[in-house]
Amino acid sequence: NAGVTQTPKFQVLKTGQSMTLQCAQDMNHNSMYWYRQDPGMGLRLIYYSASEGTTDKGEVPNGYNVSRLNKREFSLRLESAAPSQTSVYFCASSEYRNTEAFFGQGTRLTVV
Amino acid sequence: EDQVTQSPEALRLQEGESSSLNCSYTVSGLRGLFWYRQDPGKGPEFLFTLYSAGEEKEKERLKATLTKKESFLHITAPKPEDSATYLCAVEENSGYSTLTFGKGTMLLVSP
Repeated sequence: NAGVTQTPKFQVLKTGQSMTLQCAQDMNHNSMYWYRQDPGMGLRLIYYSASEGTTDKGEVPNGYNVSRLNKREFSLRLESAAPSQTSVYFCASSEYRNTEAFFGQGTRLTVV
Repeated sequence: EDQVTQSPEALRLQEGESSSLNCSYTVSGLRGLFWYRQDPGKGPEFLFTLYSAGEEKEKERLKATLTKKESFLHITAPKPEDSATYLCAVEENSGYSTLTFGKGTMLLVSP
């Protein structure tokens, strides 16, 4: 089992460019999440999807959009990247909302 | 004010030197408290969930305990492979709440 797979692993964007971070899980989990992790800030929730067909804002949703494409896939889109969005992004999934979560390896994004 | 505070920020131990990490929280009602381990360059890995005061869970050299205001992660006779950042997260007992993570404790165990 691959678990939670994120692509890409590294990305450099110029200010104003757009991109989509992809996430897929093969554990038949209902809930999926996008977090960002910054030095000294801990993990902060951007958006989550408690179940297929639903998405909700987390603590820091501004500048991001998400799509729960199907039960397996949950993508995060940056429409117009800003330097403040430089971070490490983690996708996670859990069987139900706020149960044991499995995290991907992360995407290290730099916006210049 | 942070809802979840972890201390110390960093801890250096000698192999075999037992210690404890602390996670204090200020949510009005706790639905669950989670501990994760994170190795450099990797995503967090789930360790434990605790739901009520007095509850304890163990895994190898780790034991997590919970009181009404805080949780401890006790590490007994640590080995270098226990070196990692340990994250605590809480779920507030309030509607459709989400997890709030602390900033973590970076543990380094020297041989």
